[in-house]
Amino acid sequence: QSALTQPASVSGSPGQSITISCTGASSDVGGYNYVSWYQHHPGKAPKLMIYDVSRRPSGVSDRFSGSKSGNTASLTISGLQAEDEADYFCSSYTSNGLDWVFGGGTKLTVL
Amino acid sequence: QVQLVQSGAEVRKPGASVKVSCKTSGYTFTGYFIHWVRQAPGQGLEWMGWISPSGGATKYAQKFQGRVTMTSDTSINTAYMELSRLTSDDTAVYYCAKYSGSLYFDYWGQGTLVTVSS
Repeated sequence: QSALTQPASVSGSPGQSITISCTGASSDVGGYNYVSWYQHHPGKAPKLMIYDVSRRPSGVSDRFSGSKSGNTASLTISGLQAEDEADYFCSSYTSNGLDWVFGGGTKLTVL
Repeated sequence: QVQLVQSGAEVRKPGASVKVSCKTSGYTFTGYFIHWVRQAPGQGLEWMGWISPSGGATKYAQKFQGRVTMTSDTSINTAYMELSRLTSDDTAVYYCAKYSGSLYFDYWGQGTLVTVSS
C-alpha cells in the first residue's frame, strides 16, 4: 500500500484533457509545496514532469500542469497525444520519519 | 547530458546479498546526493535512503536500517546500493535517482530488477 493514493488507471482520447490525483496527508502533500510528478515508460528511466507542485522543468511540454488543494495534488495533461501513454507517479517530501513518499502510479491510456 | 545507468538484473537466493550500481555522467557527481527507491511488483515506489558522494554521508529509511549499505566511488562517478539478508519481499525494481538539491529528483536510472527466489 502506497503512502500517496493515485487512481490505478485513467484514459482519454487524443486531444482531450485528463487529470490524475495524488492524495496524501498533512505531513506530506498538504504540508509542503514539494510535490513532483514523473512520467515512466516501463523499462526506461522515469522522467521529471512537474516539481514544486506546479513548476515545469525546461523541455517539458506546457500541456503538462500541476496543482494542489489541501492534501491532494493533481497532474493535468491537456491535448492528449499518443506519446503521453505511460505510467505517472507522484512524490512528496514528508515529515513522518521518511524523507520522501510516493504514489502507487497511474497508468494513462490514450484511446 | 545527465545519465544514470544501472547494472543488470540479478537473481539471488533468500539470505543472500545483492549490490546494484548506478554509473553517472554529465554532471558533477560529488555535487548532488543519490537516492535509492524501489518498486515491488504491483506496488508503489518506496524510498530507501540517500548517499552524499562527497564524503559518503548516508541516511537510510528505518525499514532498511541494518540491511542496506549505500556507497560511492568518486573516481568512477558511481553509486552503489547493497541489500543483505534478502527475502522474497525484496523482489523489486531498484532505482537510483539524482537529487536536484531542491526536494525533487531530476534524473533517474533505468532500474535494476532484483529477484529473490529459492
